[in-house]
Amino acid sequence: AQSVSQHNHHVILSEAASLELGCNYSYGGTVNLFWYVQYPGQHLQLLLKYFSGDPLVKGIKGFEAEFIKSKFSFNLRKPSVQWSDTAEYFCAASGGSYIPTFGRGTSLIVHP
Amino acid sequence: EAQVTQNPRYLITVTGKKLTVTCSQNMNHEYMSWYRQDPGLGLRQIYYSMNVEVTDKGDVPEGYKVSRKEKRNFPLILESPSPNQTSLYFCASSLTGPSTDTQYFGPGTRLTVL
Repeated sequence: AQSVSQHNHHVILSEAASLELGCNYSYGGTVNLFWYVQYPGQHLQLLLKYFSGDPLVKGIKGFEAEFIKSKFSFNLRKPSVQWSDTAEYFCAASGGSYIPTFGRGTSLIVHP
Repeated sequence: EAQVTQNPRYLITVTGKKLTVTCSQNMNHEYMSWYRQDPGLGLRQIYYSMNVEVTDKGDVPEGYKVSRKEKRNFPLILESPSPNQTSLYFCASSLTGPSTDTQYFGPGTRLTVL
């Protein structure tokens, strides 16, 4: 069965700390990968996505993610977080079907 | 402005009282879907639609119905709501489908079934 695992459910950081959120997927065949962010009280919006090509993907607000096929991973990174990055982050994977799979989400709290 | 809208944003109802949550997109997207978000479970897809009059079950379709009579609208219907359907619901759309396109999400509908 297809699955997406996010290992960090709750992360608390201070401003300027570096961030890495783990995401592993289990999919047969070609997979497209996404990171979405949900700020408090808001809807989900896309941070970045990987379909093919350069495995290091840069998204909005200074986020990036690296696709490592051998590890079935797509970890999200940011070198220096800000208080405004406080949000819930979802990794998602989509193969050939119309039903994408989302991870359980990681709640990030950044202290000023 | 390109957007997905949902109504109502908040709804409290009682068990068994039929309700409809509307969803509309103005981007001429073919693909639309409904998700529910529950703590610790992330987002799970309820139903999706690939085009007008074409709908299919997602991962958790039990207790829900949908229809797609027009391209822009994709209402979610709970014929007989139960407390286990208390959740946060999101509608989403994309040009052709989640495998190749970004999904755009609505603002969410927080439903409480007493």
